[in-house]
Amino acid sequence: GAVVSQHPSRVICKSGTSVKIECRSLDFQATTMFWYRQFPKQSLMLMATSNEGSKATYEQGVEKDKFLINHASLTLSTLTVTSAHPEDSSFYICSARAPVWSGGSETQYFGPGTRLLVL
Amino acid sequence: KQEVTQIPAALSVPEGENLVLNCSFTDSAIYNLQWFRQDPGKGLTSLLLIQSSQREQTSGRLNASLDKSSGRSTLYIAASQPGDSATYLCAVLPQGGSEKLVFGKGTKLTVNP
Repeated sequence: GAVVSQHPSRVICKSGTSVKIECRSLDFQATTMFWYRQFPKQSLMLMATSNEGSKATYEQGVEKDKFLINHASLTLSTLTVTSAHPEDSSFYICSARAPVWSGGSETQYFGPGTRLLVL
Repeated sequence: KQEVTQIPAALSVPEGENLVLNCSFTDSAIYNLQWFRQDPGKGLTSLLLIQSSQREQTSGRLNASLDKSSGRSTLYIAASQPGDSATYLCAVLPQGGSEKLVFGKGTKLTVNP
């Protein structure tokens, strides 16, 4: 199946710093990528939908100036947590979907996640 | 607003037992339903995807059914193994072209040797 990678897998940072998380589709082109956040023992909450070459669409309650998303190419999307605070500590997961016209399906392929801890 | 509920929240069974995980959703207007597996601290692995027009999908020891009219899906795991221990998540893709999966909170399965 399709492979999606995330980097880094784990990051610890000081409060007030910015952290960038990369999401890559390794063997397919993803016109759409999704960023999720997961708290312990909770389900995944969609933060934003990232479309290549256009601005991301954020879910209600998600601050776009705090969570900057850049989908610069068909294989890479980045999430930057700006001025991180302890409450931003969470598990961030991305997913990617190949367009149907390119042979893709409706299945979203998920990355392994990034554990962020803000001290 | 679509809501997805998974029962039970946790399940512990002895190795070899057959088991059923349940998923219910409030709005039957879905495009498809997926079952995922998540190991601790890891991402999601897609197990089965059922289109709205389908009734079930099978992969190895896994069988997922879908009753869209009643808003229910089940994941049947046959002859469970300790390696099946994980959290199983159910997610629906609502109709309307939003592309936004709606997830349940998952069922944490423990298979004891």
